[in-house]
Amino acid sequence: EIVMTQSPATLSVSPGERATFSCRASQSVGSNVAWYQQKLGQAPRLLIYGPSTRAAGIPARFSGSGSGTDFTLTISSLQSEDFAVYYCQQYNDWPLTFGGGTKVEIK
Amino acid sequence: EVQLVESGGGLVQPGGSLRLSCVASGFPFAAYRMHWVRQAPGKGLVWVSRVNTDDNGATYADSVRGRFTVSRDNAKNTVFLQMKTLRVEDTAVYYCARAVPWSGEEVFDIWGHGTMVTVSS
Repeated sequence: EIVMTQSPATLSVSPGERATFSCRASQSVGSNVAWYQQKLGQAPRLLIYGPSTRAAGIPARFSGSGSGTDFTLTISSLQSEDFAVYYCQQYNDWPLTFGGGTKVEIK
Repeated sequence: EVQLVESGGGLVQPGGSLRLSCVASGFPFAAYRMHWVRQAPGKGLVWVSRVNTDDNGATYADSVRGRFTVSRDNAKNTVFLQMKTLRVEDTAVYYCARAVPWSGEEVFDIWGHGTMVTVSS
């Protein structure tokens, strides 16, 4: 099973600042990584896949990069609605696996 | 509106069974692979199962293989998760999710709101 490790577990950011999340795979997953946002009490929402293609309706302040084992999600200027938990997911191999999440909180 | 609506969750004793349903609307259901993903209270996301478009192929996480069965009825736009021999550790919100239509990419672009399954005596 491919283990996805996200860091940090919690990120304290002020509105307007840049936020960067990391996700590392235990073995190469090529470009087959997606990122999801989950707000409290809600279902996850697809942000990025492939690993740099934004899903429909996702603002341009969200961007993704990486390949192989190291991936990054960046929010260029954090908005109030961006405070949530972010998960990476690999879809290169079965079973599909998610990272443990990074919680973004207000600084 | 593209939508997935789950139902069937509830409280069940260890060793019991439940059948979850997920009704799709707003898109050609038969063309999409469907998945179940669960989330234990306060924890992260865990993939559970996938069913192919024509119900002739399913994939399972090791933790549920042999106990859970995924199926679909394309005429009713519904995907099911039959859960047997439930364990306390199966307690979670169960989401159904749609995979993007292009082959080989199990990326979830539409999610239901989830249904809570609690396994407790």
